[in-house]
Amino acid sequence: QKEVEQNSGPLSVPEGAIASLNCTYSDRVSQSFFWYRQYSGKSPELIMSIYSNGDKEDGRFTAQLNKASQYVSLLIRDSQPSDSATYLCAVNAISGAGSYQLTFGKGTKLSVIP
Amino acid sequence: GAGVSQSPRYKVAKRGQDVALRCDPISGHVSLFWYQQALGQGPEFLTYFQNEAQLDKSGLPSDRFFAERPEGSVSTLKIQRTQQEDSAVYLCASSDGETQYFGPGTRLLVL
Repeated sequence: QKEVEQNSGPLSVPEGAIASLNCTYSDRVSQSFFWYRQYSGKSPELIMSIYSNGDKEDGRFTAQLNKASQYVSLLIRDSQPSDSATYLCAVNAISGAGSYQLTFGKGTKLSVIP
Repeated sequence: GAGVSQSPRYKVAKRGQDVALRCDPISGHVSLFWYQQALGQGPEFLTYFQNEAQLDKSGLPSDRFFAERPEGSVSTLKIQRTQQEDSAVYLCASSDGETQYFGPGTRLLVL
């Protein structure tokens, strides 16, 4: 059973601070890792993808992957109230049927306080 | 360009009714996925199509759930004899590689 674990939060940070979101996964053959942002009542929106160990930066977002520790994180610099949402960590590994189905965590609710 | 679209956006059904949920993927995307998202949970995989072939239906919770994609583009998820536990948001995603792009979802409420 593939599992993806996230702290459900809520995580509250003041505006302008760094928000740190963490995720662990159980399946060692996982190949690709994604962070989706989901506003209340909306569908998941892709924020970052990362495939190899290390850091990947895109604007205010940095994804970090450590396959040995089975750990992936998302840092949001200069947090804005508009960043307030639920952040879903998703892990992708090819299934026996050949599909790259995503396994999601339950999500971490982030609240950025003005 | 146009993203993934789904219809209806909201559906209220009486217990025992059959429902059909539609997904229009991004044009040219070969892969199509259906997920179910219960309140406060992450999406859970239901089924996967590659073109018109349903290659993985391991996530369908019961034989009341049926999905099809007859021409390799539009897909329909059908739920027969709906039960209250079927109440959830049903998300469709399409992909041309490893990244999946989600539609707005259909929120199903079974009374």
